[in-house]
Amino acid sequence: GAGVSQSPRYKVAKRGQDVALRCDPISGHVSLFWYQQALGQGPEFLTYFQNEAQLDKSGLPSDRFFAERPEGSVSTLKIQRTQQEDSAVYLCASSLSRLAFYNEQFFGPGTRLTVL
Amino acid sequence: GQQVMQIPQYQHVQEGEDFTTYCNSSTTLSNIQWYKQRPGGHPVFLIQLVKSGEVKKQKRLTFQFGEAKKNSSLHITATQTTDVGTYFCAGPGGYSGAGSYQLTFGKGTKLSVIP
Repeated sequence: GAGVSQSPRYKVAKRGQDVALRCDPISGHVSLFWYQQALGQGPEFLTYFQNEAQLDKSGLPSDRFFAERPEGSVSTLKIQRTQQEDSAVYLCASSLSRLAFYNEQFFGPGTRLTVL
Repeated sequence: GQQVMQIPQYQHVQEGEDFTTYCNSSTTLSNIQWYKQRPGGHPVFLIQLVKSGEVKKQKRLTFQFGEAKKNSSLHITATQTTDVGTYFCAGPGGYSGAGSYQLTFGKGTKLSVIP
């Protein structure tokens, strides 16, 4: 079956540009996570959705980062006025139930963002 | 906030040798998960441990959860080139404590296998 998909796979932005990263979770998955992964590091939590509700956004590094999941399926992570330190791989993961961290997370391939 | 520390950061082994990575938490964990990320790939779930002292095996992989639920280990017997990748442990909690839905990942152990 289809796994988690993300688009674009690669994005190059000039400093100051806005970007939007899309995540299509596995159909029917209630929980959706966004992570930021710098080179050589583990994924770092950004935000969590349970259906359309954003229940935890404590990992978003600044108010330039915004995420939404309006219909409880597709999610978009938006970064405004990108900075060089935003360069990283952005991973989306979904899991079946609302027991967020008690369930296997299925990761997408990620979007590699490079800010010049 | 809760931190998950992993050691070693890198491990180079000869094919056929054993490999172990260790994960330590500053707080008691309700559960711990292990993921594998191949070079250029994304994390893939391996297993979850929930009970104190739990041991689970998957073929050549053995996972343990400490009695105090503060540490965990992954042991691979007789490594193969297909084992190459970075192994991450992850535990719940993080910055915001109560009401947090975070899964906090360790920095990972990068395994290289020399054929």
